[in-house]
Amino acid sequence: QSALTQPASVSGSPGQSITISCTGTSSDVGSYNLVSWYQQHPGKAPKLMIYEGSKRPSGVSNRFSGSKSGNTASLTISGLQAEDEADYYCCSYAGSNVVFGGGTKLTVL
Amino acid sequence: QVQLQESGPGLVKPSQTLSLTCTVSGGSISSGGYYWSWIRQHPGKGLEWIGYIYYSGSTYYNPSLKSRVTISVDTSKNQFSLKLSSVTAADTAVYYCASQRVSSGYYGYWGQGTLVTVSS
Repeated sequence: QSALTQPASVSGSPGQSITISCTGTSSDVGSYNLVSWYQQHPGKAPKLMIYEGSKRPSGVSNRFSGSKSGNTASLTISGLQAEDEADYYCCSYAGSNVVFGGGTKLTVL
Repeated sequence: QVQLQESGPGLVKPSQTLSLTCTVSGGSISSGGYYWSWIRQHPGKGLEWIGYIYYSGSTYYNPSLKSRVTISVDTSKNQFSLKLSSVTAADTAVYYCASQRVSSGYYGYWGQGTLVTVSS
């Protein structure tokens, strides 16, 4: 199984919106509506931000949203804030396996 | 609130077996509904799924690590464990334990992570 493909980095200014893509295959992202997204600050454990493609856990800001089209899932962060600067990872269930994306570093300019 | 805590040696010699334990509090492994998982992160790199175990003992492993990985569960202690054999420097990483919701596939709870260095 190959890692899901994410851009290495994205950036945006405070208040702007950014989108991070996560491209898989018909065996993972395309077959299951079980994509999740995680935020990771340096030295910290990942934090769940989106699950089942577009659902937000309790306590996660509604500035975070998720979607999927075909084999590609996307995470959109609107109204960028300095605290959003972190690494973001997508993850997909793939049958009995699990596959992560390579991660995207978000820089808030 | 479920909490997970990894424990084990921070330094392992090459060719030996890496052993880590994850202690779960605030919830019972035996209650079902979760896959109890191990995930690692090489220094400065992304997340890599290692495998998971269900309370019944059913296991699933990353095919790339399958020959070296064993995950077990001790429901009486509310713990699950990872063993990775024949380690090399390439196994140096932060190892996380986490709970994966069976029906939805997401990792809702994570341990803080523990750095394991493979070096002589």
